Amino acid sequence: GAVVSQHPSRVICKSGTSVKIECRSLDFQATTMFWYRQFPKQSLMLMATSNEGSKATYEQGVEKDKFLINHASLTLSTLTVASAHPEDSSFYICSADRGPNTEAFFGQGTRLTVV
Amino acid sequence: AQKVTQAQTEISVVEKEDVTLDCVYETRDTTYYLFWYKQPPSGELVFLIRRNSFDEQNEISGRYSWNFQKSTSSFNFTITASQVVDSAVYFCALYAGSNYKLTFGKGTLLTVNP
Repeated sequence: GAVVSQHPSRVICKSGTSVKIECRSLDFQATTMFWYRQFPKQSLMLMATSNEGSKATYEQGVEKDKFLINHASLTLSTLTVASAHPEDSSFYICSADRGPNTEAFFGQGTRLTVV
Repeated sequence: AQKVTQAQTEISVVEKEDVTLDCVYETRDTTYYLFWYKQPPSGELVFLIRRNSFDEQNEISGRYSWNFQKSTSSFNFTITASQVVDSAVYFCALYAGSNYKLTFGKGTLLTVNP
């Protein structure tokens, strides 16, 4: 079964509103989680590394004021898309692993559509 | 810098054919890890295999097999006797560097026709 759960799987929102996506590790503690964005028919692009108890580390070109990441506990990281616009429409997917050099487990992904 | 190249963008085969998905990687690190993931139309990534840089043994798991060759920096994936359910996007990924981030290839869309 899934070891990383992501919610919601699909969301449609109006332009200008904020959307929160949750990523939970179900049977292990994850001090680090990762957030990716995937455009249609393209690869996964790492957006940021979510660190429990500290600030997230963002990849170059990712707006940290738009993509707010909170990793409040060892099993939960949230990504909030602030003031979403149509260009933010995409597939967002999180991952967590049990430690360095181990395989990453991915959530089910969230398809965000901003209208 | 890390880089993963999956030169095959799309592959189409007929059921029961064997198919090989290519993956070439670049890294300066001597310790690294290679992965294959499957992404079906539902979107979730499914882990298939993890291989560390010190283990060049080929691996077979049912209809799946992997050929890791450090000399050519390749980690190819073969599906034997393909089935329609194998249709998906397959990603090769590299885990290396001090921050150990996953670097993905662009993926190969495999379509298995009945």
